[in-house]
Amino acid sequence: EAGVAQSPRYKIIEKRQSVAFWCNPISGHATLYWYQQILGQGPKLLIQFQNNGVVDDSQLPKDRFSAERLKGVDSTLKIQPAKLEDSAVYLCASSLQEGWTEAFFGQGTRLTVV
Amino acid sequence: AQKITQTQPGMFVQEKEAVTLDCTYDTSDQSYGLFWYKQPSSGEMIFLIYQGSYDEQNATEGRYSLNFQKARKSANLVISASQLGDSAMYFCAMPALIFGKGTTLSVSS
Repeated sequence: EAGVAQSPRYKIIEKRQSVAFWCNPISGHATLYWYQQILGQGPKLLIQFQNNGVVDDSQLPKDRFSAERLKGVDSTLKIQPAKLEDSAVYLCASSLQEGWTEAFFGQGTRLTVV
Repeated sequence: AQKITQTQPGMFVQEKEAVTLDCTYDTSDQSYGLFWYKQPSSGEMIFLIYQGSYDEQNATEGRYSLNFQKARKSANLVISASQLGDSAMYFCAMPALIFGKGTTLSVSS
């Protein structure tokens, strides 16, 4: 079974530039999560999708971050414009259904904003 | 709102020792679950163990067991016979995957 795929693995951009991350969940997984993990901290949930609908985006900085999951499969997370404090690892996870099932994580994208 | 608290920023043990990583939680839900994940320095998040609030017996997966005390709202991870490869950050989490701040475990020979 293929795991959660994320790309790119690493990205360095200058502040005020834009960047996009891509995630392809495990086939058949209805729930998809995007997390931001700052070095030395626990992951912070940015957005949760159930199929192609948003379940929770309360912690997504909507003035600069956007995410979509067209067709309920793969997803993109975009930052525009980036700030220095956006430097973090962005993790994507998927699970069969919301809440009670184990979530599988991708390798993450390490973003450095300079 | 749900909350996870991990109060141990770092733990140090020797190989073959057992170690307990603490996790307390707060939720108003009657039915809930607790997860533990391991994150090595390579960055991937690895699922270790899950306990549901209505499970009568503590969950066990190999060397990992969960000491679940519902009245105290604690769900501590016990790793028996530590190995060098257990050195990593460990996170306690609740659906919808609300994570604690993590505990760094260092295992020495």
